[in-house]
Amino acid sequence: AQSVTQLDSQVPVFEEAPVELRCNYSSSVSVYLFWYVQYPNQGLQLLLKYLSGSTLVKGINGFEAEFNKSQTSFHLRKPSVHISDTAEYFCAVRANTGNQFYFGTGTSLTVIP
Amino acid sequence: KAGVTQTPRYLIKTRGQQVTLSCSPISGHRSVSWYQQTPGQGLQFLFEYFSETQRNKGNFPGRFSGRQFSNSRSEMNVSTLELGDSALYLCASSHDSNQPQHFGDGTRLSIL
Repeated sequence: AQSVTQLDSQVPVFEEAPVELRCNYSSSVSVYLFWYVQYPNQGLQLLLKYLSGSTLVKGINGFEAEFNKSQTSFHLRKPSVHISDTAEYFCAVRANTGNQFYFGTGTSLTVIP
Repeated sequence: KAGVTQTPRYLIKTRGQQVTLSCSPISGHRSVSWYQQTPGQGLQFLFEYFSETQRNKGNFPGRFSGRQFSNSRSEMNVSTLELGDSALYLCASSHDSNQPQHFGDGTRLSIL
């Protein structure tokens, strides 16, 4: 089975500052990796995904993530955050031979004006 | 293309009752998964259905059950409700396992 650890439960950051949300995973097989964002009272929306190929993945809203196989990490970054980025962010993993998604416990990003 | 639709959005029940939640996936998606989301626990996987068959099951008691119909719509049933069942229940659909899941806005279930 796979597992996901999001190291920071809450991340406050000032507007226009850069941010990194950390995600580490555990798996004995190759995986697909995803980042989702959840706004209040809504479901999860896909930000970006890594299936194969380039380890630097660009997503929506200016976010990007880098897959690091040796460190089993998939950290999410944005060079300059906006107030509208305030939300809950979830990292997820799925084995490339499996069907089930495993989610981290989420990181609450708060952008301070 | 319509997204994943979950009904109802909000539900209030009392202990001991049962409840049925509905999920209509994106057209063409055959995989439907259900999750329970509570503060501090994140998303807990309940089960996944693919072409009317339960393909995966999480670690929840038998009070939680589901099914999928031939049009890929899915229902989740919880019997003998407990206070701890209060949560946001999310449904997600995808073409198949190697594609990202698309989520509905969830059904918020409150148990009094």
